[in-house]
Amino acid sequence: DAGVTQSPTHLIKTRGQQVTLRCSPKSGHDTVSWYQQALGQGPQFIFQYYEEEERQRGNFPDRFSGHQFPNYSSELNVNALLLGDSALYLCASSLDRSNYGYTFGSGTRLTVV
Amino acid sequence: KQEVTQIPAALSVPEGENLVLNCSFTDSAIYNLQWFRQDPGKGLTSLLLIQSSQREQTSGRLNASLDKSSGRSTLYIAASQPGDSATYLCAASYGNNRLAFGKGNQVVVIP
Repeated sequence: DAGVTQSPTHLIKTRGQQVTLRCSPKSGHDTVSWYQQALGQGPQFIFQYYEEEERQRGNFPDRFSGHQFPNYSSELNVNALLLGDSALYLCASSLDRSNYGYTFGSGTRLTVV
Repeated sequence: KQEVTQIPAALSVPEGENLVLNCSFTDSAIYNLQWFRQDPGKGLTSLLLIQSSQREQTSGRLNASLDKSSGRSTLYIAASQPGDSATYLCAASYGNNRLAFGKGNQVVVIP
């Protein structure tokens, strides 16, 4: 039973560039959430996708955008990268309207230089 | 504001001792609380999920309790082992489609 799969595992980008991170949810899950985790901090909610639409958004600028595909997989896009965007980006999947918790992927480590 | 606090930020214990990790949350209207383990530079592994109607959950050497009235959850790890060294994060769900995380307890078990 495949869990949440994220790609790539590591990425180095230059300031001002754009990046796309990918996530495949756990089998049977239909909801994908994205979190940003800075070093030494707890994960911060970026947004959640359900039925191919952004359902809720955290306190992140419009440079952060996403997409969900019909097969429930998702992408996180970040434009005009800043040094402060360097972090571990975590994808979590869940089953909508259930109370069974979230399953997280291994994350993508983004370094902006 | 829904805030989650974990104290202490870091702790070390000798192998074999029981670990007690605390998590506090400001809003008692919680749907559930989830404990995660995170190894350095890695993703989150779910350990235990406690529903708001439950008072505790157990899995092997792990036991987590939930007290909504006092806004607290505690994770107990019995007979700690060096392999238990990691950061432990608690996250509260309020049914608003997002998790509120604490900053974590960084644990080192000394052989």
